[in-house]
Amino acid sequence: GQQVMQIPQYQHVQEGEDFTTYCNSSTTLSNIQWYKQRPGGHPVFLIQLVKSGEVKKQKRLTFQFGEAKKNSSLHITATQTTDVGTYFCAGPSNAGNMLTFGGGTRLMVKP
Amino acid sequence: NAGVMQNPRHLVRRRGQEARLRCSPMKGHSHVYWYRQLPEEGLKFMVYLQKENIIDESGMPKERFSAEFPKEGPSILRIQQVVRGDSAAYFCASSPPVRGSLYGYTFGSGTRLTVV
Repeated sequence: GQQVMQIPQYQHVQEGEDFTTYCNSSTTLSNIQWYKQRPGGHPVFLIQLVKSGEVKKQKRLTFQFGEAKKNSSLHITATQTTDVGTYFCAGPSNAGNMLTFGGGTRLMVKP
Repeated sequence: NAGVMQNPRHLVRRRGQEARLRCSPMKGHSHVYWYRQLPEEGLKFMVYLQKENIIDESGMPKERFSAEFPKEGPSILRIQQVVRGDSAAYFCASSPPVRGSLYGYTFGSGTRLTVV
């Protein structure tokens, strides 16, 4: 079946350092979505990418969708303590009925 | 405009009891998805429902688990004869009435189930 994988699983950074998480799908995706879950919270939708090679920015966050539409990345510039949480990528299942989530990357930021 | 409402937020059940988790989707959303999250793990799909229809239950364990989304009222995820391994956070998400993966999901705050 379809698999969506993320690396790294955990990342500790010093406040002000950059952070990147990578997402890879075993199948080509029609779109990819990113979510953030704060500790003890629920996943919150951040963004959706649809086009091959698409790059979108939200303040210090940069999202990229690979040319082959099988991989994606999220880069955070100059991390802040408010960036702490787990970042999930998600892509449509093979049947397209629902989203398959990656395992997430847990970001911890030391002040 | 209320978001996705889940209740209860926390639920404690003894082994062998039943757990009922409720989810009311956002106004205008008719698609509901249930996901389970074990501690320190990712989100695992369980079931996708529309009003009065189960569209995809491929992630649902075959025994003890059931889900419904009646014409009136919230969606219910029911776990019979709970075991310790059922302890997890159960999240419900909803989306507009289009194909289930085309738009971002809005998640509820989840129900944290603890089986003692």
